[in-house]
Amino acid sequence: DTGVSQDPRHKITKRGQNVTFRCDPISEHNRLYWYRQTLGQGPEFLTYFQNEAQLEKSRLLSDRFSAERPKGSFSTLEIQRTEQGDSAMYLCASSPSIGAAKNIQYFGAGTRLSVL
Amino acid sequence: DQQVKQNSPSLSVQEGRISILNCDYTNSMFDYFLWYKKYPAEGPTFLISISSIKDKNEDGRFTVFLNKSAKHLSLHIVPSQPGDSAVYFCAASEGFNKFYFGSGTKLNVKP
Repeated sequence: DTGVSQDPRHKITKRGQNVTFRCDPISEHNRLYWYRQTLGQGPEFLTYFQNEAQLEKSRLLSDRFSAERPKGSFSTLEIQRTEQGDSAMYLCASSPSIGAAKNIQYFGAGTRLSVL
Repeated sequence: DQQVKQNSPSLSVQEGRISILNCDYTNSMFDYFLWYKKYPAEGPTFLISISSIKDKNEDGRFTVFLNKSAKHLSLHIVPSQPGDSAVYFCAASEGFNKFYFGSGTKLNVKP
């Protein structure tokens, strides 16, 4: 297992365009999290899935943001009508729900979004 | 709502000495605390954690202390090594649905 994979690593887009990011968690991890990180700040929680169910969603996740995890494996995060303020690193993390590692989130390297 | 705070953006320590990184939180319902380490161009990597029912957890050179009455936790690294130079984040959760991270402390260990 190569860990949590995120694609693309970098995305440059023009204001108003839609973008979609993908996250492939560690296999058998049924918990999946999305975070946003801006310069000088820590990761900021966006949303949480257990299997395919979206159980928690931050109020930071405006109507322009949507996340899915259709089969309980990979997840996508879509941002519609991007704004310059959406420029950030988007991180995905996964964890198992049982076992010694259930409290530990394993992070991907992130997708850096730049909105021009 | 900044529920987890790391008030020192940076820390510089000599190799071999102790590094102490601090973190404060406001939510008394947090029941699990973690420290992550982050190198440039990589995602955060789990370092050590502690449950709210404990006040200390040790793993090799790394020890985390939790003071619930003060809502404070700290990470001690002894002895510090140049490879420990990274950004350290503390995080807290109530259950496992949502995690709150501090803004990070950049540790520089000088040879």
